[in-house]
Amino acid sequence: AQSVTQPDIHITVSEGASLELRCNYSYGATPYLFWYVQSPGQGLQLLLKYFSGDTLVQGIKGFEAEFKRSQSSFNLRKPSVHWSDAAEYFCAAQNNAGNMLTFGGGTRLMVKP
Amino acid sequence: DTGVSQNPRHKITKRGQNVTFRCDPISEHNRLYWYRQTLGQGPEFLTYFQNEAQLEKSRLLSDRFSAERPKGSFSTLEIQRTEQGDSAMYLCASSRPQGTEAFFGQGTRLTVV
Repeated sequence: AQSVTQPDIHITVSEGASLELRCNYSYGATPYLFWYVQSPGQGLQLLLKYFSGDTLVQGIKGFEAEFKRSQSSFNLRKPSVHWSDAAEYFCAAQNNAGNMLTFGGGTRLMVKP
Repeated sequence: DTGVSQNPRHKITKRGQNVTFRCDPISEHNRLYWYRQTLGQGPEFLTYFQNEAQLEKSRLLSDRFSAERPKGSFSTLEIQRTEQGDSAMYLCASSRPQGTEAFFGQGTRLTVV
């Protein structure tokens, strides 16, 4: 069965510190991969996506993610976290037909001043 | 604003009542998706339209749920005889014909009391 796992439910980092959010997927073939961010009571905003090619992808708000086929991972990183980054982050995978996303359970990021 | 629009944003209903939600996708997007998100979880796929055709339905979509997209533009999601377990955020997303990147609306939060 297709699945996406985000091992960390909560992460707390200090403002200005670096951040890495983990994501692992289990799919028959390499899926399309996405990271979304959700503020409380809001919809999902796309941060970045990986379809093919360069395994390091850049996104909005200074985020980047690296696709590692050997580890079935697509971890999200940011060199220096801002207080406004506090939110819930979701990793998602999509089959090549593009007809549905499978989401991980999310990681809630808290930022200490 | 040309994003995905969902109405209402919040709905409180008594158990057993019927509710209907509306989604207006981005105008040039022919694919439309509905997801459900319960508290503390990632979104789960419910159903998918390409133009007016409903092409896929999740097993989560019980007989009490029905979705339509009559002219391939806006979509409605109806829940009949609501139950407390239906309380969730209902998210709508749309995507372009050839692309696979989905854009999400703000969601409709349903509370069944």
